[in-house]
Amino acid sequence: AQSVTQLGSHVSVSEGALVLLRCNYSSSVPPYLFWYVQYPNQGLQLLLKYTSAATLVKGINGFEAEFKKSETSFHLTKPSAHMSDAAEYFCAVIPNSGGYQKVTFGTGTKLQVIP
Amino acid sequence: DAGVTQSPTHLIKTRGQQVTLRCSPISGHKSVSWYQQVLGQGPQFIFQYYEKEERGRGNFPDRFSARQFPNYSSELNVNALLLGDSALYLCASSLVGKNIQYFGAGTRLSVL
Repeated sequence: AQSVTQLGSHVSVSEGALVLLRCNYSSSVPPYLFWYVQYPNQGLQLLLKYTSAATLVKGINGFEAEFKKSETSFHLTKPSAHMSDAAEYFCAVIPNSGGYQKVTFGTGTKLQVIP
Repeated sequence: DAGVTQSPTHLIKTRGQQVTLRCSPISGHKSVSWYQQVLGQGPQFIFQYYEKEERGRGNFPDRFSARQFPNYSSELNVNALLLGDSALYLCASSLVGKNIQYFGAGTRLSVL
């Protein structure tokens, strides 16, 4: 079964500092990978996706993620944190094997940005 | 274009009651999925429907059921509510065969 592991349920960074949120997946076949962001009392917004094209994926709001097959990782980064980035971030996976599109989410990482 | 819309936004029920949540997908999207997000956790997959048929089901009891209508909107029903059913219920829509799902803002269900 597909799964994703997000290391660190809470991450704090200073405004202007690098943001690094970690995600590792378990799958024998590279799946489709996603990062979603959830602001308080809101639904999920897609930040970026990896679908077996370029390994470095650029998303919205200055975020990007790099797919590394050898490390089974898909870490999310942003060079300079902004106060508006404070939210919860979820890594998610869909198996690259056809069938229905069950999305499996990680447990989430809450990002705090300190002024 | 409107995104995925869910109603109601908030709901309070008591144990043993039944609840129906509604979802309208993005125009042109024929696939709808439902997720449960308990506070402090990631969303958990409940169902996926397209072409009005159930295409996938997560590890949820039979108290949970859903259906999809000819206009591709969907309802999620939960019977015999338990305190543990308190959660944010998210609906997502997608184009059939495409792997990007777009989420609504959710329905916050509180079971007392």
